[in-house]
Amino acid sequence: DAGVTQSPTHLIKTRGQQVTLRCSPKSGHDTVSWYQQALGQGPQFIFQYYEEEERQRGNFPDRFSGHQFPNYSSELNVNALLLGDSALYLCASSFQGARYNEQFFGPGTRLTVL
Amino acid sequence: AQSVAQPEDQVNVAEGNPLTVKCTYSVSGNPYLFWYVQYPNRGLQFLLKYITGDNLVKGSYGFEAEFNKSQTSFHLKKPSALVSDSALYFCAVRDDTGYALNFGKGTSLLVTP
Repeated sequence: DAGVTQSPTHLIKTRGQQVTLRCSPKSGHDTVSWYQQALGQGPQFIFQYYEEEERQRGNFPDRFSGHQFPNYSSELNVNALLLGDSALYLCASSFQGARYNEQFFGPGTRLTVL
Repeated sequence: AQSVAQPEDQVNVAEGNPLTVKCTYSVSGNPYLFWYVQYPNRGLQFLLKYITGDNLVKGSYGFEAEFNKSQTSFHLKKPSALVSDSALYFCAVRDDTGYALNFGKGTSLLVTP
């Protein structure tokens, strides 16, 4: 049973560019959340997608956007990259129908902005 | 608003000794509490959760956590530490009205032989 997968593993971009990160949820899961983990910090919630809609958003600017596809996979897009966007981006999946839907995390995508 | 505090940046324990990693929380509703572990260059692995019921929760790899409502704490414990337990530990909370996990800044656990 495959867990949460993310691609790419690493990514290097320059300021002002745009980036797309991808996530496939754990088999049987239908909800995807994205988190940003800066160096030395705990993960910060960006947003969560369920039924192809963003249903909760954290304190992140509109440069951060996402999408969920009918097969439950998801993308995170970041426009106009800033140096401060350098971080580990974690995707987490869960099953809405499970009580207290705990989240399972992928290995992350390490984004470096130069 | 929800928040989590992990007051210790690092905890050092000798192998075979008991370990405790501290966590306190603040939520407006009923708390759902979680512990995750992160190894270098890896994502977060779920250890255990408290939703309701017994205050002592047992999880993976011999870890357990004690929920204390009056002290708003959810400390992670293990009776006998292993060198392989050395990693970064995160406490997280969410309330019963939202979906986002709010994480502490993490505690680095170092178990020495």
